[in-house]
Amino acid sequence: GAVVSQHPSWVICKSGTSVKIECRSLDFQATTMFWYRQFPKQSLMLMATSNEGSKATYEQGVEKDKFLINHASLTLSTLTVTSAHPEDSSFYICSALNWGANNEKLFFGSGTQLSVL
Amino acid sequence: DAKTTQPTSMDCAEGRAANLPCNHSTISGNEYVYWYRQIHSQGPQYIIHGLKNNETNEMASLIITEDRKSSTLILPHATLRDTAVYYCIVNSGGSNYKLTFGKGTLLTVNP
Repeated sequence: GAVVSQHPSWVICKSGTSVKIECRSLDFQATTMFWYRQFPKQSLMLMATSNEGSKATYEQGVEKDKFLINHASLTLSTLTVTSAHPEDSSFYICSALNWGANNEKLFFGSGTQLSVL
Repeated sequence: DAKTTQPTSMDCAEGRAANLPCNHSTISGNEYVYWYRQIHSQGPQYIIHGLKNNETNEMASLIITEDRKSSTLILPHATLRDTAVYYCIVNSGGSNYKLTFGKGTLLTVNP
């Protein structure tokens, strides 16, 4: 099946710094990718929809200036957590839409655990 | 997208069938029922989806009631590696493919 690679798997950073997370579709082109956040023992919460070549669409309550999304190519979307604070510590997951797939069309990355000290 | 209701947790003995229910009484005609699962600290894994007919693949079977207001995911022979949170999601797919995850069911398979 299609593969979505997410990097890094985990990252520890100091409060006030910025962290970039990459999401790559390895064997298909993805015009649409999604970013989720998951706090411990909670469900995934959709943060934004990333569209290649255009601005991301953010869900209500998600700060677009804090969570910068760039989808500059058909195989790469990045999420940058700017001026990270301890409350931003979370598990971030991306997914990519493969319209060419026969059955399953949405493929998830393995997630990035962010810890802000 | 229609809301889904699932039990918070379930237990199953290894080797037995696991039947996970989901209620989606407000589902509309063009919405599919999707099932994903998430093993701890990993990304969600697709299991199966269907519209109105029952579906089966190498992982599981999906039984959808005739009125489509509920469905059941069946893992025919559960193993310890099937311990995970199982999410039932209703979505119309198409151009609005973003999936909204509920709280899911924590399935624990016991030896």
